[in-house]
Amino acid sequence: ETGVTQTPRHLVMGMTNKKSLKCEQHLGHNAMYWYKQSAKKPLELMFVYNFKEQTENNSVPSRFSPECPNSSHLFLHLHTLQPEDSALYLCASSQDFAGTDTQYFGPGTRLTVL
Amino acid sequence: DAKTTQPNSMESNEEEPVHLPCNHSTISGTDYIHWYRQLPSQGPEYVIHGLTSNVNNRMASLAIAEDRKSSTLILHRATLRDAAVYYCILRRGAQKLVFGQGTRLTINP
Repeated sequence: ETGVTQTPRHLVMGMTNKKSLKCEQHLGHNAMYWYKQSAKKPLELMFVYNFKEQTENNSVPSRFSPECPNSSHLFLHLHTLQPEDSALYLCASSQDFAGTDTQYFGPGTRLTVL
Repeated sequence: DAKTTQPNSMESNEEEPVHLPCNHSTISGTDYIHWYRQLPSQGPEYVIHGLTSNVNNRMASLAIAEDRKSSTLILHRATLRDAAVYYCILRRGAQKLVFGQGTRLTINP
């Protein structure tokens, strides 16, 4: 238990569906992250939020839409996804952005797009 | 981002020490060396980090070469629960963590 929870743990959706992934951190951290981990590929950073403001978008397609209503919650809204978007989506948080800051990861949401 | 090089896989036996190497020949003076690991079906977890001096914590030790161009993560007594992918990452200031392929560690009973 890392203090970062993600729901749902598994999600199957069609290409025309709209769904949302939820992340919650109970650590009092100020920064939150979305990562994507595809099969046999390294983790890819998607978005970074610091104090609820988006500070990084790693050229992520617009069919992925993040939302950070407060420092404890992070959402990833999904619409009109493609089968190649099937992956493990990981949320993480850290106190701030310093070079020594530890990131705490959630267990991930395994997404399958049919 | 400065790059790291790690072996794709390593194998060790339970209750023996494990030395996981990482090369980072282009490291700069302000780069911290971070190690994370990812157990099967879980998100990555922090293991240890250091700058110049060797570091110890309850999970592992980090030995950093004097020229800082390489480092070694040491698991003093491996257990089956240490089987994971281990990532060596350089991080400077507020830069993001950039994960490579890591080393897949297998522990034999």
